[in-house]
Amino acid sequence: DVKVTQSSRYLVKRTGEKVFLECVQDMDHENMFWYRQDPGLGLRLIYFSYDVKMKEKGDIPEGYSVSREKKERFSLILESASTNQTSMYLCASSSGVGQGASYEQYFGPGTRLTVT
Amino acid sequence: GQQLNQSPQSMFIQEGEDVSMNCTSSSIFNTWLWYKQDPGEGPVLLIALYKAGELTSNGRLTAQFGITRKDSFLNISASIPSDVGIYFCAGPLRGKLTFGQGTILTVHP
Repeated sequence: DVKVTQSSRYLVKRTGEKVFLECVQDMDHENMFWYRQDPGLGLRLIYFSYDVKMKEKGDIPEGYSVSREKKERFSLILESASTNQTSMYLCASSSGVGQGASYEQYFGPGTRLTVT
Repeated sequence: GQQLNQSPQSMFIQEGEDVSMNCTSSSIFNTWLWYKQDPGEGPVLLIALYKAGELTSNGRLTAQFGITRKDSFLNISASIPSDVGIYFCAGPLRGKLTFGQGTILTVHP
């Protein structure tokens, strides 16, 4: 079974803090994704990566950055946390490259971040 | 804007009832995925559909890929309390997976 783990289930941070959310997958997947989930808005893509040291902006990248130094690890960084970044953050991974890439994504348990 | 519309937004049913929900798109999809999210957890893939007209089952769950390729349906038969959660449809749009808003299912014992 694919296993995607996230460093924290719950996190409380203050406005202006730098926040790191870590994600690790153990199935040697090429592709990794970060989403945020808010009531009524579904899942929205923040950033994704198809390879080590590679990153692409999703639909809502503002206020976020990412790092992928190793294939199994994808980090989401909030440079200066704000209250409107209070949300559930979900990491996902999938296999394959290019035209052969799978759309079947496997999710971690999520990190519920509260910024006060 | 939202590319996938899920219906209904929420459902309150009695244990043992059957459930139907659907997802429609303004674009043609070549893949439809259905996920379930338990409270406080990440979404889990239930069923993947790859061909128009395809009907696929996973236990009490059955999903169909609409003939027009612009819709998909998920049915749950004989619901049980652990079916509670949010059900999402998803499909690829411009190379990225796009999700519906979700259907919140509540099952009363």
